[in-house]
Amino acid sequence: EDKVVQSPLSLVVHEGDTVTLNCSYEVTNFRSLLWYKQEKKAPTFLFMLTSSGIEKKSGRLSSILDKKELFSILNITATQTGDSAIYLCATRGSNYQLIWGAGTKLIIKP
Amino acid sequence: DTGVSQDPRHKITKRGQNVTFRCDPISEHNRLYWYRQTLGQGPEFLTYFQNEAQLEKSRLLSDRFSAERPKGSFSTLEIQRTEQGDSAMYLCASSLGAGINEKLFFGSGTQLSVL
Repeated sequence: EDKVVQSPLSLVVHEGDTVTLNCSYEVTNFRSLLWYKQEKKAPTFLFMLTSSGIEKKSGRLSSILDKKELFSILNITATQTGDSAIYLCATRGSNYQLIWGAGTKLIIKP
Repeated sequence: DTGVSQDPRHKITKRGQNVTFRCDPISEHNRLYWYRQTLGQGPEFLTYFQNEAQLEKSRLLSDRFSAERPKGSFSTLEIQRTEQGDSAMYLCASSLGAGINEKLFFGSGTQLSVL
């Protein structure tokens, strides 16, 4: 059965810290992995990864995929209180439907 | 730019009542998805449409749930004879195209509470 596991489930850090969120997966015929940020209600798209070892970067956020070890990480540097959110990871497999992890709840303390 | 909109934002109902939610996708998007999310979990797939055709429905979805997208634009999700276990956030998402590069754009959801 396809599954996505995120860790940690929750994380509390201070403003300015760097955080690394993990997403491991077991998916039949892996196609892509996506990261979303969910602040209040609507998840918003961050990154899509399809190839191993190629870093995607947007401001203080970056992500990379390891298709050999079946995981991805999302890094946030110089965290700000506005980064507080749930970060969701999802993978797309052979039937093209997204399989979602439970998310990592990130709290940034001022 | 109008994103995906959902109505209502919140719904409180008594067990056994029927409820209907509406989703208006981004106008040029041909795919529309319904998900359910409970606290501490990721979105759970319910069903999706390509234009007006319902292409897939979750095997886990009770027959009390039905969705329509009559003209390939907005969609409705109806839950009949609601149960307390139906309490959740119902998220709608839309996308343009399909395949490995498909990105979903989500609405803010409808929070359902069944008393």
